[in-house]
Amino acid sequence: QSVLTQPPSASGAPGQRVTISCSGGPSNIGNNAVNWFQQLPGTAPKLLIYINNERPSGVPDRFSGSKSGTSASLAISGLQSEDEADYYCAAWDDSLDSHVFGTGTKVTVL
Amino acid sequence: QVQLVQSGAEVKKPGASVKVSCKASGYTFTTYDINWVRQATGQGLEWVGWMNPNSGNTGYAQKFQGRVTLTRDNAITTAYMELSDLRSDDTAVYYCTRGRPSNFDPWGQGTLVTVSS
Repeated sequence: QSVLTQPPSASGAPGQRVTISCSGGPSNIGNNAVNWFQQLPGTAPKLLIYINNERPSGVPDRFSGSKSGTSASLAISGLQSEDEADYYCAAWDDSLDSHVFGTGTKVTVL
Repeated sequence: QVQLVQSGAEVKKPGASVKVSCKASGYTFTTYDINWVRQATGQGLEWVGWMNPNSGNTGYAQKFQGRVTLTRDNAITTAYMELSDLRSDDTAVYYCTRGRPSNFDPWGQGTLVTVSS
């Protein structure tokens, strides 16, 4: 079972803003950086946000990340149909000595 | 460009072992860790372990300790994941991805391992 908790689903109309939460604890999000990944249907995950709020080159600025205490969030503004995907947060866990992933959130564009 | 290309799908019987390869190109292989992550059909991502190609140091998720071995061949810039004593719940797509100092970027295309009698 995952130690990082995400809502199973989120949705919005084209152009709207969607926010996905990622809840952890002191040994993971509370003490380490958070990365976010996008997984389009049938494909490998892709890095979307690293070190809490940094975007790799090529990732649109519609995607933004934030972290506060033991929680993190991913926001998608100006939602587009191509954003329909599963989204995962991840962080290192000092207690488990392991990387841990969130439970995943499926984003649907209405 | 940086690329990780994995070996093809495997079908194994329970109790057998499987070895998946991950060929790296487009960067200096020994300067980045390689991590392995798996995903069962319809399920989330699960971290398996990491390996530093320069030192050979490894770290494994507790769940896989004793069953997984990560190795590499620096001469051909290839990392390997071997999982032994396979069970039906090991059926999953296994991904390699470039780790520190990168942040799980990029990922290989995935290798489907099916465990079935």
